[in-house]
Amino acid sequence: EIVLTQSPATLSLSPGERATLSCRASQSVSHYFAWYQQKPGQAPRLLIYDTSNRATGIPARFSGSGSGTDFTLTISSLEPEDFAVYYCQQRSDWPLTFGGGTKVEIK
Amino acid sequence: EVQLVESGGGLLQPGGSLRLSCAASGFSISNYWMHWVRQAPGQGLVWVSCINSDGSSTYYADSVKGRFTISRDNAKNTLYLQMNGLRAEDTAVYFCTKAGRGGGGYNWFDPWGQGTLVTVSS
Repeated sequence: EIVLTQSPATLSLSPGERATLSCRASQSVSHYFAWYQQKPGQAPRLLIYDTSNRATGIPARFSGSGSGTDFTLTISSLEPEDFAVYYCQQRSDWPLTFGGGTKVEIK
Repeated sequence: EVQLVESGGGLLQPGGSLRLSCAASGFSISNYWMHWVRQAPGQGLVWVSCINSDGSSTYYADSVKGRFTISRDNAKNTLYLQMNGLRAEDTAVYFCTKAGRGGGGYNWFDPWGQGTLVTVSS
């Protein structure tokens, strides 16, 4: 099983700041990597698929990068609605796996 | 509008059985691989199972293999998850979601249903 390790577990930032979230895979997943946002009491929402492709309706302040085992989600300037939990996911191999999540909280 | 609506969750005792349903609207599930993902209270996301477009292939997490069965009725545009031999550790919100693109292998998840809560407790 490919294990995804997200860091940091919690990120405390202020609106307007840049957020950089990381996810490391235990083995290469090529570019088959996605990011999701989840707010309390809601279902997750797809942000990025295949490393760097923004999903429909996702603002340009969200961007993804990386390859192989190291991936990054960047939020260029945090908006109030961006404070949430973010999960990474790989689709390179079965079973499909998620990271443990990074909570982005208001500082 | 593409929408997924789960139903069938509830409270039951260990060893019990339950069938979850996921009704899709705004698209035809026959074109997509479909998935179940669960989230225990206060925990992260865990992929559970998926089924290919015509139902001929299924995949399961080791934790549910042999106990859960995923199926689909493309004519009814509905996905199912039959859960048998339920355990306390199966307690979670179960989300239905579809693969991000038609065909095979595009296994990112978009969109997601609102989820249905399954609680296993004596």
